[in-house]
Amino acid sequence: NAGVTQTPKFRVLKTGQSMTLLCAQDMNHEYMYWYRQDPGMGLRLIHYSVGEGTTAKGEVPDGYNVSRLKKQNFLLGLESAAPSQTSVYFCASSYSRGYSNQPQHFGDGTRLSIL
Amino acid sequence: GNSVTQMEGPVTLSEEAFLTINCTYTATGYPSLFWYVQYPGEGLQLLLKATKADDKGSNKGFEATYRKETTSFHLEKGSVQVSDSAVYFCALSDTGNQFYFGTGTSLTVIP
Repeated sequence: NAGVTQTPKFRVLKTGQSMTLLCAQDMNHEYMYWYRQDPGMGLRLIHYSVGEGTTAKGEVPDGYNVSRLKKQNFLLGLESAAPSQTSVYFCASSYSRGYSNQPQHFGDGTRLSIL
Repeated sequence: GNSVTQMEGPVTLSEEAFLTINCTYTATGYPSLFWYVQYPGEGLQLLLKATKADDKGSNKGFEATYRKETTSFHLEKGSVQVSDSAVYFCALSDTGNQFYFGTGTSLTVIP
């Protein structure tokens, strides 16, 4: 039972470099989310998607882009990495709209350091 | 708007002590409420949930009751173990399936 899989698990970048974080889920969930987790700040929503081909901004979208070309995949891109983007990034997925009793399922995270 | 407030940590308890982590929420409508647990180096895992007022969620000895009158969903466990050391997050979900998380409470249980 894979659930939500994130790759890579760790990455170190230099300022200005770009990279893409991949999230894949095998639960046929409609909704997918990207969060960042920083000490003392809990989880903050970056972007989310309510279905294939759709994306929307969350609480802290600046400096990030996303794409949802396939239902099972949700990509998070950093075009020009900055030290402020050093964080742990979590992907999550959940069942479809209108079912507020459905939990989110999380991946194990990507630990990203920007030097 | 929707929000979740949970007690600040860190919390340190001796093994077999009673645990309470407070969580209160602000929401319009009828949200569902959740507790997640995060072990070191891992993602968040669902611990328990409650979907309507007066529901009690329970799992692994943890319990929480959805109290609409006090807008609370406090997490309790009667006897904690060292293996319960983790960060605990309270969360709510509205009908648009948007989640709102608390800032997390770190629990350390010492033998």
